[in-house]
Amino acid sequence: AQTVTQSQPEMSVQEAETVTLSCTYDTSENNYYLFWYKQPPSRQMILVIRQEAYKQQNATENRFSVNFQKAAKSFSLKISDSQLGDTAMYFCAFMNEDYGQNFVFGPGTRLSVLP
Amino acid sequence: DAGVIQSPRHEVTEMGQEVTLRCKPISGHDYLFWYRQTMMRGLELLIYFNNNVPIDDSGMPEDRFSAKMPNASFSTLKIQPSEPRDSAVYFCASGPGQGFDTQYFGPGTRLTVL
Repeated sequence: AQTVTQSQPEMSVQEAETVTLSCTYDTSENNYYLFWYKQPPSRQMILVIRQEAYKQQNATENRFSVNFQKAAKSFSLKISDSQLGDTAMYFCAFMNEDYGQNFVFGPGTRLSVLP
Repeated sequence: DAGVIQSPRHEVTEMGQEVTLRCKPISGHDYLFWYRQTMMRGLELLIYFNNNVPIDDSGMPEDRFSAKMPNASFSTLKIQPSEPRDSAVYFCASGPGQGFDTQYFGPGTRLTVL
């Protein structure tokens, strides 16, 4: 069975600095998707970034980028120029190629951006 | 602990039928969350409970949806009547406290409404 691990329960970063959130996963599949979700105090889940395993190029979305290391089964999220609005819980998630058949979340990392 | 348990894992029903999804949270967790996952809308928070009390149900899409938590070890999400657009994967998650802190997700229930 797939598992997702986020080893950092809490992190903090100064505003405007860069922070990296870690995520590792375990799977025997070759084709899958990885996600980072953000859950701010407003509570709704927001998709931050998505990576297809067959793509070698790391996904980027504005200040958010990932370091996808398929062989190491690692999928870290880098937030550049951190803003106060980035304060939230961040969940790493894995989904196998057959959408919805197996969707697994990590336990989350609480990120606090300090002024 | 076995983790968050959801049942059934898959549900196929016809439009108009009542659907009940079940969740057993991790023992000792004070918070329980229901989410819906679709390709179009991503992961949406529907409702969450604290100590069996519904705190925020603003994410519940319509009156056809209702959720209950009669005790600390069981919660249900009911759709009556069901519609094809309700087809999605429904996740339950539980957390030990502090509201939107660490959450442990269940495996999800894949609902298909024909």
